[in-house]
Parts: sequence; structure tokens; C-alpha cells
Amino acid sequence: DSGVTQTPKHLITATGQRVTLRCSPRSGDLSVYWYQQSLDQGLQFLIQYYNGEERAKGNILERFSAQQFPDLHSELNLSSLELGDSALYFCASSVESSNRNEQFFGPGTRLTVL
Amino acid sequence: AQSVTQPDIHITVSEGASLELRCNYSYGATPYLFWYVQSPGQGLQLLLKYFSGDTLVQGIKGFEAEFKRSQSSITQRKPSVHWSDAAEYFCAVGRANFGNEKLTFGTGTRLTIIP
Repeated sequence: DSGVTQTPKHLITATGQRVTLRCSPRSGDLSVYWYQQSLDQGLQFLIQYYNGEERAKGNILERFSAQQFPDLHSELNLSSLELGDSALYFCASSVESSNRNEQFFGPGTRLTVL
Repeated sequence: AQSVTQPDIHITVSEGASLELRCNYSYGATPYLFWYVQSPGQGLQLLLKYFSGDTLVQGIKGFEAEFKRSQSSITQRKPSVHWSDAAEYFCAVGRANFGNEKLTFGTGTRLTIIP
């Protein structure tokens, strides 16, 4: 158990819908990262927040957005969903915002878009 | 742009045999290198990390890695695999300078263990 929690574990929805994925980082971790793992794209970095502020952005679509709240939990919002958005979405957290700090991964949320 | 290549998509080894997982990277700056393992239905767990210095690094679960700057590679090894090592292994590279902390992952190597 990494200490990072993600809810829900599974999510099934239809095209065009909007969903919110939630992540609670390990106690004391200020940095949260979101990754997407799909069969065709592999594991890709989406976005990072540090202490409530966006720190780095990767291959995140405009239909996707994220935020980190004052209690440090984070939410990833996916809208106008398409079939290709079906993937495993991971959240990771680390103490600070440097790659010297290990990123601890949650178990992921599996999103299926029908 | 940084990239990571894991040339072996799938490796099958017998239990008790040695294991070698290869990874090559392309990077314009000093990289930080990582090996992660993903067991079925689980998130990723860090096995080892390389920042600088010694070319041999020790990780958890009996894994070690050899970094070769001249070949832009970091090869992970385990002398004797156990059935519980069956999983997918990912190599990742990150920037060493503060300010851009994303990790770029390879496509993964799936390890199957034969009894």
C-alpha cells in the first residue's frame, strides 16, 4: 500500500459524458501527479500540482482539467468523453516537486467509455 | 525531446534463472533514471533510481542496475527470479533540474515466469 488513494476504482460511462477522478496523496506529500495508461499510448504524464499550484503540464487534452485543493487532494476532470479516453488513470504523490523525490503511485482508476 | 526505449516487449524466464531488463534513453541533459514495477491490478512501485555517481545502484526486491552513460542505457538485473516477480517493468527518465518534474516512461517489458 503506497498511501495514495484513488476513487473510484472503476468507472463506466458513455461518450460525451463528464467524470471526476479523485486522488488523496500520502500524508505530508505536497506534489500530485496524474498519469494516463492506455494500450496505444502507454504511460503518459498528464499534469502535476504542487501545493495547490500547477507545476508541469504534459500531454493533457483541453477536455481534461485538474486541480489541487487546500487539503492537497486532487481531482482530474474529464469531459466530452470519447472512446479513446478509456484508460487507467494513475495519481502519484511526492514530498516535494523534484525528481529526486520518489513518486508513490495509487492503484489507479480504470475508466471505460462506451 | 526526451524518450525512453525498452527493446523487449515480453520476456519469459524460468524461476531461479537470472533476469536482465534493458532500457535506453535519449536526453539532452543530465537525466534521473528510474525502474518501476507494476503488478497486475496494482499501481507502480519504485524499484530503484539513479541520479549520479556510481554506475551500479541497488534497489529493492533484489534488483540492481548498471548505468552506462556512453550507451545511454540503464540495465536492470536480478540474479534469481521468483514467481512473484512476474509483472510489467517500466523504465523512466526525468529531468535533473528543478522546475520540470515529469517522468517519461518506456513502453514496458512484461515478465513471465515459468515454474
